Amino acid sequence: DAMVIQNPRYQVTQFGKPVTLSCSQTLNHNVMYWYQQKSSQAPKLLFHYYDKDFNNEADTPDNFQSRRPNTSFCFLDIRSPGLGDAAMYLCATSRDPGLSNSPLHFGNGTRLTVT
Amino acid sequence: AQSVTQLDSHVSVSEGTPVLLRCNYSSSYSPSLFWYVQHPNKGLQLLLKYTSAATLVKGINGFEAEFKKSETSFHLTKPSAHMSDAAEYFCVVSEGDYKLSFGAGTTVTVRA
Repeated sequence: DAMVIQNPRYQVTQFGKPVTLSCSQTLNHNVMYWYQQKSSQAPKLLFHYYDKDFNNEADTPDNFQSRRPNTSFCFLDIRSPGLGDAAMYLCATSRDPGLSNSPLHFGNGTRLTVT
Repeated sequence: AQSVTQLDSHVSVSEGTPVLLRCNYSSSYSPSLFWYVQHPNKGLQLLLKYTSAATLVKGINGFEAEFKKSETSFHLTKPSAHMSDAAEYFCVVSEGDYKLSFGAGTTVTVRA
C-alpha cells in the first residue's frame, strides 16, 4: 500500500502559470519534505515541515512556497514557473528530523513540465 | 560538514554476476549512512542503513554494504545481479539532523 502519495504523477503547466503539487501520507510522520530532482542529478532539498514549523533552505527561490494544513497533507506551490523549474518533485516523510534512526520515505514524485 | 562521493557514475554488469557500487564519505561526526535506489520515474526506496551498530549491513533484495571507518567507505554489493536491479543508486550520509548529503548517483545497467 502506498504510504506517501503524490498527485498528479505528471503535471504540465505554462510558463508563468501558478501550479500546485500535492502530497499525502498515511504514516502519521511528523516531518514532511519537498525535494527537487533535475535530470541525472541527486535530489535537492527545498524545505521541510516539522509538524507546523516551516523550514526553508537558504537557496530555495522565493518562487517556491509550501503549505501543510494538517499532518497528512503538504502542498508545493510554484508561483510563476520558469523553464528551469521543470523537474521531478519528490515528497518525503520521516518520523522525526533526526534522520539517523528515522529514514526518509519517498513518494513516487510528480514530474513537472513547463511549456 | 558532510559529503559523499560515489566513485562510479555508471556500472554495467551481466545478469547473474556480482555488483559493486563504491561510496566514500567525509563527516565531522559519527555518521549514519544509507543507500537508496530509484527506478525510472519513481521515488527513492531505502535499500539499507548503517547507524553505528553492525558494520556489515544487510538490506532488501539481496544487497548488503560494509561500513569501513578506516577507509571512510560504505560500498554496496550484491552477489548476483538481476534485470530488475537496473536503476539509479544513491549513497547518502546524515549527521543526525534533517540534512542529508546525497552522492551524485550511480546508474546500474544489467545486460542479459
